[in-house]
Amino acid sequence: EVQLVQSGAEVKKPGESLKISCKGSGYNFSTYYIGWVRQMPGQGLEWMGIVYPDYSLTTYSPSFQGQVTISADKSFSVAYLQWSSLKASDTALYYCVRHGVSFYYMDVWGKGTAVTVSS
Amino acid sequence: IVLTQSPGTLSLSPGERATLSCRASQSVGTEYLAWYQQKPGQAPRLLIYGTSSRATGIPDRFSGSGSGTDFTLTISRLETEDCAVYYCQQYGSSLTWTFGQGTKVEIK
Repeated sequence: EVQLVQSGAEVKKPGESLKISCKGSGYNFSTYYIGWVRQMPGQGLEWMGIVYPDYSLTTYSPSFQGQVTISADKSFSVAYLQWSSLKASDTALYYCVRHGVSFYYMDVWGKGTAVTVSS
Repeated sequence: IVLTQSPGTLSLSPGERATLSCRASQSVGTEYLAWYQQKPGQAPRLLIYGTSSRATGIPDRFSGSGSGTDFTLTISRLETEDCAVYYCQQYGSSLTWTFGQGTKVEIK
């Protein structure tokens, strides 16, 4: 079964750093793009960026460029989303997604990692 | 490209037909348009890709159509389990993806 398993919920303070993970299984992790999608409380979906694990190539939405770092370790079939200095406005649910063979759409979704940033 | 979905909320009875609209600010290739369903408390799941192709396991009461700037998701006979928020999504140039703001489907 193809699945993406995300790391658990996090509670952090403003200014702290954070790295959340997404482990793929059941397919060749290296050759599918992995993306990240943010969902703020009660809001819609926002595409943040993607990584191609085989070459560690990344692309970011202009809205998230410079705010987060996306990476992947194909040896362990894991993708990461990290922040160097969290803000309260980063409080959200973060989904990792697999882009399909035709990478225009997202065919597999993780269950999401809830991040709460509060002083 | 901005995707605008309408209506914001659709309230219908079981067995009725639901028509959800997704309008793009510029023309979108049909291969680039997808729809997702998000039920309360769950992650989204892929419903339709390439404008009209159903994803694996999606019932045939769900169908997609459209071209250019106007796309439609139709649920032919609503069931109570279809209560969800539906998002359209497009792939743009230079590896960027955009979602619409979503349409909430309520079952009376």
